[in-house]
Amino acid sequence: NAGVTQTPKFQVLKTGQSMTLQCAQDMNHEYMSWYRQDPGMGLRLIHYSVGAGITDQGEVPNGYNVSRSTTEDFPLRLLSAAPSQTSVYFCASSLRTASPLSGNTIYFGEGSWLTVV
Amino acid sequence: DQQVKQNSPSLSVQEGRISILNCDYTNSMFDYFLWYKKYPAEGPTFLISISSIKDKNEDGRFTVFLNKSAKHLSLHIVPSQPGDSAVYFCAAQRNAGNMLTFGGGTRLMVKP
Repeated sequence: NAGVTQTPKFQVLKTGQSMTLQCAQDMNHEYMSWYRQDPGMGLRLIHYSVGAGITDQGEVPNGYNVSRSTTEDFPLRLLSAAPSQTSVYFCASSLRTASPLSGNTIYFGEGSWLTVV
Repeated sequence: DQQVKQNSPSLSVQEGRISILNCDYTNSMFDYFLWYKKYPAEGPTFLISISSIKDKNEDGRFTVFLNKSAKHLSLHIVPSQPGDSAVYFCAAQRNAGNMLTFGGGTRLMVKP
């Protein structure tokens, strides 16, 4: 079972370069999102999507763009990389419907380690 | 301002004993609370959750307790095993949506 797949796993960028982190899920989940993890701060939401063609900003959206042209894919674009964007990025997905007793279980990819020098 | 806080960055326990990981929150609008476990170089994996209308939920060795009046929840692991050594994140969710608000994590080390 592939689940949520992220590529690349590791990337080094120079300041000012642009790149795209890829995310794909094969569980037919309506919801997808991107988080970044920084030391001591847990994971913070960057952007999210509730379905194809619909995206919205999370807690820390500046410097990132997203699009959702298909249910399966949700790429994250860094427009002009900055050292402050050095982080570990996690893509996540979940169903739209959820258990009323346990909430909505969100599934994460294995992460993409990005270093901006 | 952090809406979800895990005040202990690390915890060390002996194998076979109980591990108690704590989490505090400030937003009374949260409907669900989830615990995720994370190993190095891997993504977080779902462990257990609880609805705000309940005060306890258990799944095998894992039990989560919720004290709404104190805005506090805890994860109990009994008995602790060396394979439980990982970082544990507390997260909160509104309306069973797709957004989670995370705490900073607690690194649990279970010594053989």
